[in-house]
Amino acid sequence: KQEVTQIPAALSVPEGENLVLNCSFTDSAIYNLQWFRQDPGKGLTSLLLIQSSQREQTSGRLNASLDKSSGRSTLYIAASQPGDSATYLCAVKGANNLFFGTGTRLTVIP
Amino acid sequence: DTGVSQDPRHKITKRGQNVTFRCDPISEHNRLYWYRQTLGQGPEFLTYFQNEAQLEKSRLLSDRFSAERPKGSFSTLEIQRTEQGDSAMYLCASETSYSGNTIYFGEGSWLTVV
Repeated sequence: KQEVTQIPAALSVPEGENLVLNCSFTDSAIYNLQWFRQDPGKGLTSLLLIQSSQREQTSGRLNASLDKSSGRSTLYIAASQPGDSATYLCAVKGANNLFFGTGTRLTVIP
Repeated sequence: DTGVSQDPRHKITKRGQNVTFRCDPISEHNRLYWYRQTLGQGPEFLTYFQNEAQLEKSRLLSDRFSAERPKGSFSTLEIQRTEQGDSAMYLCASETSYSGNTIYFGEGSWLTVV
């Protein structure tokens, strides 16, 4: 069964700092990998989708990388802002299902 | 495109009662998923529909849980004889049939069993 791990579980940084969130998965047979943002009590908002054949995707201040062979992905957030405070979830897509990590809770301090 | 819609957003029920949640996926999305999320955890897969066919069910989906998607449009998730352990957020998601596409989630339905 696919296992997804996210490190660190929580991260607190001062505003303006660049940061990296990590995700690892055990089975490299994936269709794609998605990074989501979740605000407290809310649903999931898709941030970036990386296809299994791709190495990275960028959207604004966000950059996600994928190394399928080693089972790793990173989400890089540049010039962090207080509005980036949320939980970030990594999910890998199997045939009929998304497997999620437990998330990284990010706090950006003004 | 109005996004994935879920109703109700919050439900408080007494143990032993039945509850039903509804999900309206993005139009023309033929794949629909239900997930359950408890505090501090990532979402856990419950079940998956392609059109009206329920193609996969998790072992988490006990016989008290049933999901339907009549005519391949909206979906309902019913929990019978609720237990306190059923308290969680129930998330619905949809996507098109191309496996490489983004999966879109609704805002979730919070269930509290007292």
